[in-house]
Amino acid sequence: QTVVTQEPSFSVSPGGTVTLTCGLSSGSVSTSYYPSWYQQTPGQAPRTLIYSTNTRSSGVPDRFSGSILGNKAALTITGAQADDESDYYCVLYMGSNWVFGGGTKLTVL
Amino acid sequence: QVQLVQSGSELKKPGASVKVSCKASGYTFTSYAMNWVRQAPGQGLEWMGWINTNTGNPTYAQGFTGRFVFSLDTSVSTAYLQISSLKAEDTAVYYCAKGSHDYWGQGTLVTVSS
Repeated sequence: QTVVTQEPSFSVSPGGTVTLTCGLSSGSVSTSYYPSWYQQTPGQAPRTLIYSTNTRSSGVPDRFSGSILGNKAALTITGAQADDESDYYCVLYMGSNWVFGGGTKLTVL
Repeated sequence: QVQLVQSGSELKKPGASVKVSCKASGYTFTSYAMNWVRQAPGQGLEWMGWINTNTGNPTYAQGFTGRFVFSLDTSVSTAYLQISSLKAEDTAVYYCAKGSHDYWGQGTLVTVSS
């Protein structure tokens, strides 16, 4: 079974830029996987940031952007703020199934 | 505006059953699939499967066959998740999510404990 891979943790300085990635244990991610990105803070439901690779969800600031970088989907946060400190999940569409990555814990310090 | 409102927290004993509801509003219910996602305590998101809201046909992810049933009542734009023969390891927050997971319910905590 194909596994969706994410960095377990990442750190960014306030005001800095960070790129989180979403890959496959076997193969490359393309737009055909409709990668989406979610932000989750403890005790809250996931918040949709990006869907279909690079479409920003309503109300999401433009410092969040999605793309394909090499063989992975990527979420870039520019001008990181303290309240960006959260867990970030990606999900990929694989035929009739969706598969979530294990999530990245982002620390802003 | 699109909203998915789920039923409240449940405390169940092992072996019991639970039915979680997810009421949709703000869009045409039968135009988008409904997904179910599990999040065990301290763990990540796990896709359980989805139900075609047009045909009622469910698709279950590996590990979610047998005790898990997705159903619909399109007359009230509501999707349901039923879990039978509950085990302690079913303790989790269960989310419904529309279509390509663009909108999410607030989550329902199901606790299984004797």
